[in-house]
Amino acid sequence: QQKVQQSPESLTVSEGAMASLNCTFSDGTSDNFRWYRQHSGKGLEVLVSIFSDGEKEEGRFTAHLNRASLHVSLHIREPQPSDSAVYLCTMPNYNVLYFGSGTKLTVEP
Amino acid sequence: EAAVTQSPRNKVTVTGGNVTLSCRQTNSHNYMYWYRQDTGHGLRLIHYSYGAGNLQIGDVPDGYKATRTTQEDFFLLLELASPSQTSLYFCASSGGRAISNERLFFGHGTKLSVL
Repeated sequence: QQKVQQSPESLTVSEGAMASLNCTFSDGTSDNFRWYRQHSGKGLEVLVSIFSDGEKEEGRFTAHLNRASLHVSLHIREPQPSDSAVYLCTMPNYNVLYFGSGTKLTVEP
Repeated sequence: EAAVTQSPRNKVTVTGGNVTLSCRQTNSHNYMYWYRQDTGHGLRLIHYSYGAGNLQIGDVPDGYKATRTTQEDFFLLLELASPSQTSLYFCASSGGRAISNERLFFGHGTKLSVL
């Protein structure tokens, strides 16, 4: 059973329009969530970490966490073509980190 | 920034072949992980370790062995490689447990093709 479900699988937005990605997790007791980004053929870079309900902003990236609804989202303000990548959300479970299957974001000029 | 180095970057082998993927971290992290990444599955945990000589089984361990020889070095072994093990493999390290808000630092990945 997938512990972390991401949606949509792929998303195409125009440059400058808001991009919104979603993640639903299975365990409401987890208390830290991160969003990673992976450009094609590259490793993973962490974008934003959120540890409590509410909102956390890191530059153009804003994460929203609602543990009651088991949901965390990522909003990208004014996305650029260089933001085209796969975005992964994560949820810890004691010793290990679980990943969602990813959302492939394409930002068109 | 924590450094995690994987080798090789690319590897091609044949079915039944013997493959060893290497990972070294130089930040004295206790935890090291091996993940595989496949389309539609995200990253799935194969094995992890919280110290030299320690090994823990992840979610998709079948067909893989791992050894943590030192605090720095973590190896993933495929003794009888199969085409289903064609994947992108990532090594990661962290200073503590995932639950304790420790972030993971990733290597650049090893692309393995089993023909």
